[in-house]
Amino acid sequence: EAGVTQSPTHLIKTRGQQATLRCSPISGHTSVYWYQQALGLGLQFLLWYDEGEERNRGNFPPRFSGRQFPNYSSELNVNALELEDSALYLCASSLFIGEANYGYTFGSGTRLTVV
Amino acid sequence: AQSVTQLGSHVSVSEGALVLLRCNYSSSVPPYLFWYVQYPNQGLQLLLKYTSAATLVKGINGFEAEFKKSETSFHLTKPSAHMSDAAEYFCAVSRGSARQLTFGSGTQLTVLP
Repeated sequence: EAGVTQSPTHLIKTRGQQATLRCSPISGHTSVYWYQQALGLGLQFLLWYDEGEERNRGNFPPRFSGRQFPNYSSELNVNALELEDSALYLCASSLFIGEANYGYTFGSGTRLTVV
Repeated sequence: AQSVTQLGSHVSVSEGALVLLRCNYSSSVPPYLFWYVQYPNQGLQLLLKYTSAATLVKGINGFEAEFKKSETSFHLTKPSAHMSDAAEYFCAVSRGSARQLTFGSGTQLTVLP
């Protein structure tokens, strides 16, 4: 079974530009989550998508946005990049059956560097 | 709001010694609890998860954790540390309709020869 795949693995952008990060969940998983792991700041929740809809959002400005496609893959877009956006961005997918939580699987991440 | 506290941002043990990484959660209802490990420049790998089926949870690589409701704790243990266990460990919780994981701040484990 293929795991969660993220692309690209590394991304270098200039301040003010836009970045697009992609995530493909495990087959059968309908929920996708995005996290930011910046140096010294731990793992911060960004966005949760399920069945094509944004279900929850962390404490991030609106320039962090995304979407989920009909095949459940997802994009994270970061507009007007700032130096402090440099971080490892992790995507995870999960399977819920009713309220039963069958766990979360993470991808290897995209390392975004803003210069 | 649910939260997770990991006591000790850095823990050092000798090879062969007991590993104990501490995690306490705050939740008004029984949560789902997880331990993940992260090796340098990699994503998160699931070690084990608590989903209310059993209070003692066994995971991969010889790790286990015990859910103690009275102490709101979910500490991670391993009887004998290996050099390959050196990594960062994260405790995480999810509960109810807030399906996203909330992570602790992480514990960097160093294994000394």
